[in-house]
Amino acid sequence: ELKVEQNPLFLSMQEGKNYTIYCNYSTTSDRLYWYRQDPGKSLESLFVLLSNGAVKQEGRLMASLDTKARLSTLHITAAVHDLSATYFCAVDIWGGGATNKLIFGTGTLLAVQP
Amino acid sequence: DSGVTQTPKHLITATGQRVTLRCSPRSGDLSVYWYQQSLDQGLQFLIQYYNGEERAKGNILERFSAQQFPDLHSELNLSSLELGDSALYFCASSAYGQGGPNTFGSGTRLTVV
Repeated sequence: ELKVEQNPLFLSMQEGKNYTIYCNYSTTSDRLYWYRQDPGKSLESLFVLLSNGAVKQEGRLMASLDTKARLSTLHITAAVHDLSATYFCAVDIWGGGATNKLIFGTGTLLAVQP
Repeated sequence: DSGVTQTPKHLITATGQRVTLRCSPRSGDLSVYWYQQSLDQGLQFLIQYYNGEERAKGNILERFSAQQFPDLHSELNLSSLELGDSALYFCASSAYGQGGPNTFGSGTRLTVV
């Protein structure tokens, strides 16, 4: 059974600090997504990582993918309060053609303290 | 507005009842996905449709069914509802060749009492 594990599950950090969220998965996949979810809201797509070694950056967030290690990271630089949210990674299981399943990790609740 | 429209936003119903959740994908997207989010199960993939055909199935209960219509909107039918079915149900869509769902709707919050 495919497992997608994130750690930590909860992260409390101070503004201005750096930290990394890890996403490990147990099956082969060349595509991984990161999403942000605010309380009671929908999922906002942050990054799509399409190949081994892919790195994408947007503002204070940077995501990377190592398909050989089956590991993705989401690095937060100089955190600000507005980044407080739950972050999910999701592994795309492609079944050929237009068939896709996205299997989500457990989520990391990030709380940035002033 | 993501372009994926879900109705209703909230639904309260009694155990044993049946409900229908509706989703209109973003314009041009042929794939529709349904997800269930609950505190104990997290985000669970239910089912995917592409241009009217079922393409992938996840942890969808037999009491649940879905379909995608010729105009590409989709409906998720939940029957014989139980308390444990209370959750946030998301619909998402994507275009062919763009991989999995990249645009999610705002969700339908289902409460079974």
